[in-house]
Amino acid sequence: KAGVTQTPRYLIKTRGQQVTLSCSPISGHRSVSWYQQTPGQGLQFLFEYFSETQRNKGNFPGRFSGRQFSNSRSEMNVSTLELGDSALYLCASLASGRSEQFFGPGTRLTVL
Amino acid sequence: QKEVEQNSGPLSVPEGAIASLNCTYSDRGSQSFFWYRQYSGKSPELIMFIYSNGDKEDGRFTAQLNKASQYVSLLIRDSQPSDSATYLCAVNSRTYKYIFGTGTRLKVLA
Repeated sequence: KAGVTQTPRYLIKTRGQQVTLSCSPISGHRSVSWYQQTPGQGLQFLFEYFSETQRNKGNFPGRFSGRQFSNSRSEMNVSTLELGDSALYLCASLASGRSEQFFGPGTRLTVL
Repeated sequence: QKEVEQNSGPLSVPEGAIASLNCTYSDRGSQSFFWYRQYSGKSPELIMFIYSNGDKEDGRFTAQLNKASQYVSLLIRDSQPSDSATYLCAVNSRTYKYIFGTGTRLKVLA
Protein backbone atom coordinates (compact mmCIF):
# COMPACT_ATOMS: atom_id res chain seq x y z
CA LYS A 1 0.00 0.00 0.00
CA ALA A 2 1.40 3.40 -0.93
CA GLY A 3 2.07 5.76 1.94
CA VAL A 4 1.01 9.35 2.46
CA THR A 5 2.23 11.63 -0.31
CA GLN A 6 2.74 15.37 -0.14
CA THR A 7 3.49 17.86 -2.87
CA PRO A 8 5.51 19.87 -3.37
CA ARG A 9 8.39 18.72 -1.18
CA TYR A 10 10.07 22.13 -1.12
CA LEU A 11 8.78 25.64 -1.62
CA ILE A 12 10.34 29.07 -1.45
CA LYS A 13 8.01 32.05 -1.24
CA THR A 14 8.26 35.70 -0.29
CA ARG A 15 6.37 37.54 2.40
CA GLY A 16 2.82 38.45 1.46
CA GLN A 17 2.41 35.63 -1.05
CA GLN A 18 0.10 32.70 -0.58
CA VAL A 19 0.80 29.00 -0.88
CA THR A 20 -1.17 25.79 -1.35
CA LEU A 21 0.11 22.42 -0.18
CA SER A 22 -1.36 19.08 -1.15
CA CYS A 23 -1.66 15.76 0.66
CA SER A 24 -2.91 12.37 -0.51
CA PRO A 25 -3.62 9.98 2.35
CA ILE A 26 -3.07 6.25 2.41
CA SER A 27 -5.66 4.52 0.26
CA GLY A 28 -8.82 3.95 2.28
CA HIS A 29 -7.96 6.51 4.95
CA ARG A 30 -10.58 9.22 5.25
CA SER A 31 -8.99 11.40 7.92
CA VAL A 32 -6.21 13.85 7.15
CA SER A 33 -4.50 16.07 9.71
CA TRP A 34 -2.06 18.88 9.12
CA TYR A 35 0.78 19.92 11.39
CA GLN A 36 3.40 22.63 11.42
CA GLN A 37 6.83 21.71 12.74
CA THR A 38 9.42 24.30 13.71
CA PRO A 39 12.56 23.92 15.81
CA GLY A 40 11.21 26.22 18.51
CA GLN A 41 7.61 25.02 18.79
CA GLY A 42 7.79 21.39 17.78
CA LEU A 43 4.81 19.75 16.11
CA GLN A 44 1.74 21.97 16.25
CA PHE A 45 -1.69 20.74 15.15
CA LEU A 46 -3.34 22.85 12.46
CA PHE A 47 -6.56 21.04 11.58
CA GLU A 48 -8.12 17.69 10.78
CA TYR A 49 -10.50 16.78 7.99
CA PHE A 50 -12.74 13.75 7.85
CA SER A 51 -15.08 13.04 4.96
CA GLU A 52 -14.66 16.57 3.59
CA THR A 53 -15.54 18.21 6.94
CA GLN A 54 -13.20 19.96 9.32
CA ARG A 55 -13.43 17.90 12.51
CA ASN A 56 -10.83 19.67 14.63
CA LYS A 57 -8.89 22.87 14.54
CA GLY A 58 -5.75 24.05 16.31
CA ASN A 59 -4.83 27.52 17.46
CA PHE A 60 -3.63 29.09 14.24
CA PRO A 61 -4.77 32.35 12.65
CA GLY A 62 -7.34 32.40 9.90
CA ARG A 63 -4.59 32.78 7.30
CA PHE A 64 -4.26 29.01 7.58
CA SER A 65 -7.08 27.12 5.95
CA GLY A 66 -7.71 23.74 4.48
CA ARG A 67 -10.14 21.57 2.65
CA GLN A 68 -10.69 17.96 1.74
CA PHE A 69 -12.02 16.52 -1.46
CA SER A 70 -14.30 13.57 -2.02
CA ASN A 71 -11.32 11.33 -2.80
CA SER A 72 -9.88 12.23 0.65
CA ARG A 73 -7.05 14.29 -0.80
CA SER A 74 -6.52 17.44 1.19
CA GLU A 75 -5.04 20.85 0.60
CA MET A 76 -3.96 23.50 3.01
CA ASN A 77 -3.56 27.14 2.12
CA VAL A 78 -1.60 29.86 3.84
CA SER A 79 -2.33 33.41 2.75
CA THR A 80 -0.27 36.54 3.33
CA LEU A 81 2.84 34.60 4.24
CA GLU A 82 5.01 35.78 7.11
CA LEU A 83 8.63 34.94 7.86
CA GLY A 84 7.46 32.91 10.85
CA ASP A 85 5.52 30.58 8.58
CA SER A 86 8.78 28.99 7.48
CA ALA A 87 8.44 25.41 8.68
CA LEU A 88 8.01 21.79 7.77
CA TYR A 89 4.35 21.14 7.06
CA LEU A 90 3.31 17.59 7.70
CA CYS A 91 0.21 15.73 6.73
CA ALA A 92 -0.93 12.60 8.55
CA SER A 93 -3.59 10.11 7.62
CA LEU A 94 -5.70 7.90 9.81
CA ALA A 95 -7.90 4.91 9.09
CA SER A 96 -11.51 4.94 10.30
CA GLY A 97 -11.86 3.34 13.69
CA ARG A 98 -8.13 3.52 14.36
CA SER A 99 -5.97 5.98 16.30
CA GLU A 100 -2.58 5.53 14.67
CA GLN A 101 -1.56 8.39 12.43
CA PHE A 102 0.92 7.97 9.60
CA PHE A 103 2.88 10.93 8.35
CA GLY A 104 3.84 11.96 4.85
CA PRO A 105 7.33 13.21 3.97
CA GLY A 106 6.36 16.83 4.54
CA THR A 107 6.65 20.06 2.59
CA ARG A 108 9.51 22.33 3.58
CA LEU A 109 8.32 25.93 3.20
CA THR A 110 10.78 28.79 3.32
CA VAL A 111 9.46 32.34 3.41
CA LEU A 112 11.94 35.05 2.44
CA GLN B 1 2.26 23.02 32.52
CA LYS B 2 2.73 21.70 29.02
CA GLU B 3 0.20 19.14 27.87
CA VAL B 4 2.86 16.61 26.91
CA GLU B 5 6.33 16.91 28.41
CA GLN B 6 9.56 15.24 27.42
CA ASN B 7 13.14 15.86 28.40
CA SER B 8 14.80 17.36 25.33
CA GLY B 9 18.09 15.54 25.93
CA PRO B 10 20.36 14.61 24.38
CA LEU B 11 20.20 11.23 26.03
CA SER B 12 23.45 9.44 25.30
CA VAL B 13 23.75 5.68 25.71
CA PRO B 14 26.46 3.26 24.62
CA GLU B 15 25.76 0.77 21.87
CA GLY B 16 24.05 -2.34 23.22
CA ALA B 17 22.59 -0.58 26.27
CA ILE B 18 18.94 0.07 27.10
CA ALA B 19 17.66 3.55 26.27
CA SER B 20 14.79 4.77 28.41
CA LEU B 21 12.68 7.66 27.14
CA ASN B 22 10.00 9.25 29.26
CA CYS B 23 6.90 11.34 28.70
CA THR B 24 4.25 12.82 31.01
CA TYR B 25 0.87 14.20 30.00
CA SER B 26 -1.64 16.42 31.72
CA ASP B 27 -5.05 15.31 30.40
CA ARG B 28 -6.30 12.42 32.54
CA GLY B 29 -8.88 11.58 29.87
CA SER B 30 -6.22 10.82 27.26
CA GLN B 31 -6.89 7.52 25.58
CA SER B 32 -4.13 6.65 23.16
CA PHE B 33 -0.39 7.07 23.36
CA PHE B 34 2.19 6.96 20.61
CA TRP B 35 5.92 7.03 20.07
CA TYR B 36 7.34 8.38 16.85
CA ARG B 37 10.94 8.36 15.70
CA GLN B 38 12.16 11.26 13.62
CA TYR B 39 15.51 11.34 11.89
CA SER B 40 16.98 14.73 11.10
CA GLY B 41 15.34 16.21 8.01
CA LYS B 42 12.73 13.44 7.82
CA SER B 43 9.11 13.09 8.90
CA PRO B 44 8.00 11.24 12.06
CA GLU B 45 7.66 7.48 11.80
CA LEU B 46 5.28 5.61 14.11
CA ILE B 47 7.14 2.95 16.08
CA MET B 48 4.83 2.08 18.99
CA PHE B 49 1.34 2.75 20.26
CA ILE B 50 -0.33 1.73 23.50
CA TYR B 51 -3.86 2.09 24.80
CA SER B 52 -3.96 0.12 28.06
CA ASN B 53 -1.99 0.27 31.28
CA GLY B 54 1.04 -1.97 31.34
CA ASP B 55 3.71 -2.93 28.87
CA LYS B 56 3.59 -3.56 25.16
CA GLU B 57 6.56 -5.12 23.41
CA ASP B 58 7.51 -5.09 19.74
CA GLY B 59 10.95 -6.39 18.92
CA ARG B 60 13.55 -4.26 20.69
CA PHE B 61 10.93 -1.69 21.70
CA THR B 62 8.73 -1.71 24.81
CA ALA B 63 6.14 0.93 25.55
CA GLN B 64 4.97 1.32 29.13
CA LEU B 65 1.84 3.16 30.21
CA ASN B 66 0.77 4.20 33.69
CA LYS B 67 -2.44 6.19 33.50
CA ALA B 68 -2.61 6.79 37.25
CA SER B 69 0.76 8.56 37.10
CA GLN B 70 0.05 10.03 33.64
CA TYR B 71 3.29 8.63 32.43
CA VAL B 72 4.33 6.78 29.29
CA SER B 73 7.79 5.52 28.46
CA LEU B 74 9.69 3.83 25.66
CA LEU B 75 12.49 1.36 26.25
CA ILE B 76 14.88 0.48 23.45
CA ARG B 77 16.90 -2.65 24.15
CA ASP B 78 20.26 -3.37 22.53
CA SER B 79 20.48 0.21 21.27
CA GLN B 80 22.16 0.68 17.91
CA PRO B 81 23.74 3.78 16.36
CA SER B 82 20.89 3.68 13.82
CA ASP B 83 18.49 4.36 16.73
CA SER B 84 20.01 7.84 17.09
CA ALA B 85 17.11 10.16 16.37
CA THR B 86 14.55 12.36 18.06
CA TYR B 87 11.71 10.44 19.72
CA LEU B 88 8.34 12.17 19.90
CA CYS B 89 5.66 11.23 22.38
CA ALA B 90 2.08 11.90 21.27
CA VAL B 91 -1.19 11.69 23.15
CA ASN B 92 -4.68 11.47 21.71
CA SER B 93 -6.92 13.58 23.89
CA ARG B 94 -10.66 13.23 24.51
CA THR B 95 -11.26 15.83 21.81
CA TYR B 96 -9.49 13.56 19.33
CA LYS B 97 -6.64 16.01 18.96
CA TYR B 98 -3.13 14.67 18.95
CA ILE B 99 -0.76 16.56 21.19
CA PHE B 100 2.96 16.05 20.67
CA GLY B 101 5.82 16.56 23.04
CA THR B 102 8.85 18.45 21.79
CA GLY B 103 10.89 15.25 21.59
CA THR B 104 13.92 13.67 23.20
CA ARG B 105 17.10 13.47 21.18
CA LEU B 106 18.76 10.08 21.57
CA LYS B 107 22.42 9.48 20.74
CA VAL B 108 23.70 5.94 20.67
CA LEU B 109 27.47 5.91 20.91
CA ALA B 110 29.36 3.25 18.95
